[in-house]
Amino acid sequence: QVQLVESGGGVVQPGRSLRLSCAASGFTFSTYGMHWVRQAPGKGLDWVAVISYDGSNEYYADSVKGRFTVSRDNSKSTVYLQMSSLRAEDTAVYYCAKDRGYCSGGRCSQINYWGQGTLVTVSS
Amino acid sequence: EIVLTQSPGTLSLSPGERATLSCRASQSVSSSYLAWYQQRPGQAPRLLIYDASSRATGIPDRFSGSGSGTDFTLTISRLEPEDFAVYYCQQYGSSPPLTFGQGTRLEIK
Repeated sequence: QVQLVESGGGVVQPGRSLRLSCAASGFTFSTYGMHWVRQAPGKGLDWVAVISYDGSNEYYADSVKGRFTVSRDNSKSTVYLQMSSLRAEDTAVYYCAKDRGYCSGGRCSQINYWGQGTLVTVSS
Repeated sequence: EIVLTQSPGTLSLSPGERATLSCRASQSVSSSYLAWYQQRPGQAPRLLIYDASSRATGIPDRFSGSGSGTDFTLTISRLEPEDFAVYYCQQYGSSPPLTFGQGTRLEIK
């Protein structure tokens, strides 16, 4: 069965960096696009970034562009989110999520599996 | 960027009743590439419906989706206690960015 396990969350000061990881299993990781979606406490879902199946395409929400970088290591079935210049408004549960397709050339499908999320708190 | 607006914000119904949730897009959603997700408290979202009307694997047939263009609907024919949750629509026709609606909270009356 598909499993997505996030790690790396925690409390970080404003302006600092943090890297999230998501270990995937139960499917052929190298053939699917992977997303990061966040949810601030008590709020709705907020799409953050996506990376294509082969890592050749990355796309970001305007709110994180230039500060966050998504990457993947298909040999380890792991996707990463490097977050820098963190702000209080980045505080959220960050979900790793699997696309139903390749997400090649910016053409994504729906998200069909989600991890359980990891909490990032940006506070001094 | 396509903006999705869900209504109502909160829906109060009793088990056994029918629920109708709406999702309206600011512009036409390409090829009806719209999905619905359910999120129970403390849990990750779960895919219910994709391509506007196709049920995801394992989803009961009391859940159905319809619509095209800018207007979409999620219908739950007979509410079960486990259906009381928050529901989100999401478009992927014009992506990225993928966009979500703000959610509809379905609560027990």
